[in-house]
Amino acid sequence: EVQLVESGGGLVQPGRSMKLSCAASGFTFNNYDMAWVCQAPKKGLEWVATISYDGSSTYYRDSVKGRFTISRDNAKSTLYLQMDSLRSEDTATYYCARQTAFGPYFDYWGQGVMVTVSS
Amino acid sequence: DIQMTQSPASLSASLGETVTIECRASEDIYNGLAWYQQKPGKSPQLLIYNANSLHTGVPSRFSGSGSGTQYSLKINSLQSEDVASYFCQQYYNYPTFGGGTKLELK
Repeated sequence: EVQLVESGGGLVQPGRSMKLSCAASGFTFNNYDMAWVCQAPKKGLEWVATISYDGSSTYYRDSVKGRFTISRDNAKSTLYLQMDSLRSEDTATYYCARQTAFGPYFDYWGQGVMVTVSS
Repeated sequence: DIQMTQSPASLSASLGETVTIECRASEDIYNGLAWYQQKPGKSPQLLIYNANSLHTGVPSRFSGSGSGTQYSLKINSLQSEDVASYFCQQYYNYPTFGGGTKLELK
């Protein structure tokens, strides 16, 4: 069974940093591109970043470029999102998602982790 | 970025009814479209990909159609477990999502 389990969320002050982790199991992690998708409270979904199966390529939405870094450790089957210079508008639930082998849509999602940026 | 406009924002329907949700892209996305269902407090679940292909395990009362910039999700014979929010997502370019449709029972 495919499982994606996020951790590392919580309350953080504006301008500070936070690192999210996503532990994957039930599939061959290093065969899949992975992504982070966020959802602000009572709002819609927004793609945040994607990393290729081998970590060689990364892609970001414009609003997080230069502040967020997506990475992965294939030996540990773990995905990461390093979030620096956090802003109040980054407040959201962050989902780890597996991208399908056929295109950048998402066939498995984690349960999500809440990040609240507030002083 | 490709903008996705989803309608309606909310919808109330009766059990057994057929409902349709629309999604319009700001440019041609060549059937690079997925639909997701999100129940309250849960993560999204993939329903449809490539505009009209049913994801594994999804009930056949769900179907997708469309082309170019206009796409739709249809739910036949609405069941109580279909109460959820629904989102479209284009993947012709960097992924973008529609604003969502909240489906409730009348």
